[in-house]
Amino acid sequence: AQSVTQLDSHVSVSEGTPVLLRCNYSSSYSPSLFWYVQHPNKGLQLLLKYTSAATLVKGINGFEAEFKKSETSFHLTKPSAHMSDAAEYFCVVSDLSSASKIIFGSGTRLSIRP
Amino acid sequence: KAGVTQTPRYLIKTRGQQVTLSCSPISGHRSVSWYQQTPGQGLQFLFEYFSETQRNKGNFPGRFSGRQFSNSRSEMNVSTLELGDSALYLCASSLRDSSYEQYFGPGTRLTVT
Repeated sequence: AQSVTQLDSHVSVSEGTPVLLRCNYSSSYSPSLFWYVQHPNKGLQLLLKYTSAATLVKGINGFEAEFKKSETSFHLTKPSAHMSDAAEYFCVVSDLSSASKIIFGSGTRLSIRP
Repeated sequence: KAGVTQTPRYLIKTRGQQVTLSCSPISGHRSVSWYQQTPGQGLQFLFEYFSETQRNKGNFPGRFSGRQFSNSRSEMNVSTLELGDSALYLCASSLRDSSYEQYFGPGTRLTVT
């Protein structure tokens, strides 16, 4: 069975400092992995995706994530936080060979301090 | 290109009633998935439709059902509403299936009283 764990429910960083949002997954096969962002009262927006190509994936708004199979991790990073990055971030694993199909992490709320 | 649209945006219903939510995907997208988002359970997958056929289903009771029309528009129905059905219901469309990136609508906020 597949699962996804977001290790921090809340992360707070100062504007201009690096962001690290952690995600670990479990999947029987080679999954597709995604990060989505949800701003207050909005739907989800895709930040980036991994689908077994390059292990370092670049997304929108300066975010990137590295797929590490040995660590079963897919952490999201950004070199310099901006106030507009304050939102909820979801790590998602999709494995169509699994009965669960698509699993969302519990989310990490990112706060940015001025 | 127009994004995913969901109607209505807000809905208040009473226990025992039924409700139908609508989702129009991005033009050309054939896959539509539905999710329930609550503070307690987070985001949970309801079901996915592709070319008018249900392809995948989450772990929800039979009160939750859906369908997809030939133009890829989808509806979700919840019968015999319970207080616990209060949630944000999100629809997402994708070119082929949920292994591809999904584009989410703004959601329908359902409140059951």
